[in-house]
Amino acid sequence: GENVEQHPSTLSVQEGDSAVIKCTYSDSASNYFPWYKQELGKRPQLIIDIRSNVGEKKDQRIAVTLNKTAKHFSLHITETQPEDSAVYFCAVSNSGYSTLTFGKGTMLLVSP
Amino acid sequence: DAGVIQSPRHEVTEMGQEVTLRCKPISGHNSLFWYRQTMMRGLELLIYFNNNVPIDDSGMPEDRFSAKMPNASFSTLKIQPSEPRDSAVYFCASSLSDQPQHFGDGTRLSIL
Repeated sequence: GENVEQHPSTLSVQEGDSAVIKCTYSDSASNYFPWYKQELGKRPQLIIDIRSNVGEKKDQRIAVTLNKTAKHFSLHITETQPEDSAVYFCAVSNSGYSTLTFGKGTMLLVSP
Repeated sequence: DAGVIQSPRHEVTEMGQEVTLRCKPISGHNSLFWYRQTMMRGLELLIYFNNNVPIDDSGMPEDRFSAKMPNASFSTLKIQPSEPRDSAVYFCASSLSDQPQHFGDGTRLSIL
């Protein structure tokens, strides 16, 4: 089955800095790569996603890049704010939008 | 849009008791997913329904777990008998064929 590795497990930055979270996957047939943000005690919420036919996607302060050859993708958050503090999960699917395999998560802490 | 609705939000019960978790997907969505989240194992897919039919139940841990989707607007996840190691947050998510998954608020289950 699919194996998703996510790094780092924790990340501490100062407000205004950039944060980068990386994920690698094993199945070359994977074609859909979403990122979810989960605040403490809340549900995971989709923040950005990318399909395999696109190399990069941006939405205001967040962006995702995909390298299909190397089988890795990354989440980039610029100008971080304290409200960005949360656990971020990457996920991978090889069947469109259906079954997702999640990474173990990255706890991001943004200090004022 | 009411979102995915799960009940109960919290459940505390004794080992050996039957537990039933409930989920109402977003109206019009045709796929439904049950996940379990723990610190040790992260977010794990338990079972996935498409058009009310179970498609992939390979994540169901053992025969004590069962899930049903009698109609397009309701699903249950049942644990019988429950054990302390079943303690976790259980999330339900739904999606429309070519759209991302949306999660409910989860049920925090504690088995004493």
